[in-house]
Amino acid sequence: KNEVEQSPQNLTAQEGEFITINCSYSVGISALHWLQQHPGGGIVSLFMLSSGKKKHGRLIATINIQEKHSSLHITASHPRDSAVYICAVLLNTGNQFYFGTGTSLTVIP
Amino acid sequence: NAGVTQTPKFQVLKTGQSMTLQCAQDMNHNSMYWYRQDPGMGLRLIYYSASEGTTDKGEVPNGYNVSRLNKREFSLRLESAAPSQTSVYFCASSERWETAVYYGYTFGSGTRLTVV
Repeated sequence: KNEVEQSPQNLTAQEGEFITINCSYSVGISALHWLQQHPGGGIVSLFMLSSGKKKHGRLIATINIQEKHSSLHITASHPRDSAVYICAVLLNTGNQFYFGTGTSLTVIP
Repeated sequence: NAGVTQTPKFQVLKTGQSMTLQCAQDMNHNSMYWYRQDPGMGLRLIYYSASEGTTDKGEVPNGYNVSRLNKREFSLRLESAAPSQTSVYFCASSERWETAVYYGYTFGSGTRLTVV
């Protein structure tokens, strides 16, 4: 059972490209969390969303509650953006986050 | 800026051995968590401590015990390690259980554990 599906699993882009990573979920949620896992393994929280859109630098996260879908966009991608991006959801009925398996992004110079 | 510190970073155990993974945070956070990360699977919650003095089971608690030693420290113990516990373990913290929904977590750098 996987409450969270991410696509694509792997993504390779040229430096400067606009990147979109998708996250879909099948149940009602109260919050959605985007995280970044660096090649060395460290994990950083990027965004918490319950509605609408958030922007931080070149990263933009959107969520459509009705369609049960969220996207993470990276504008003007750079090799330092190479990482695994992970989506996690907090179910309406639960008290813990459920994590997707991640999207592995490689940005080539 | 230490944040969340985990020790050790790497460990190899033989089946049946015991060990304790240590986690400490210096951000005065109330809530702490232990996750495991396996290939092809998302992070899964093992145990959490919403506040000092309390601990609760997560999604995959079997084979593990935890201790919230004080507000800073939250340890994870494997009493009798099994090959199925080979994984990367992450400790995380948040200001409060409730505010993790708004502000997210701070993660440690992980412990790579192999049980042979």
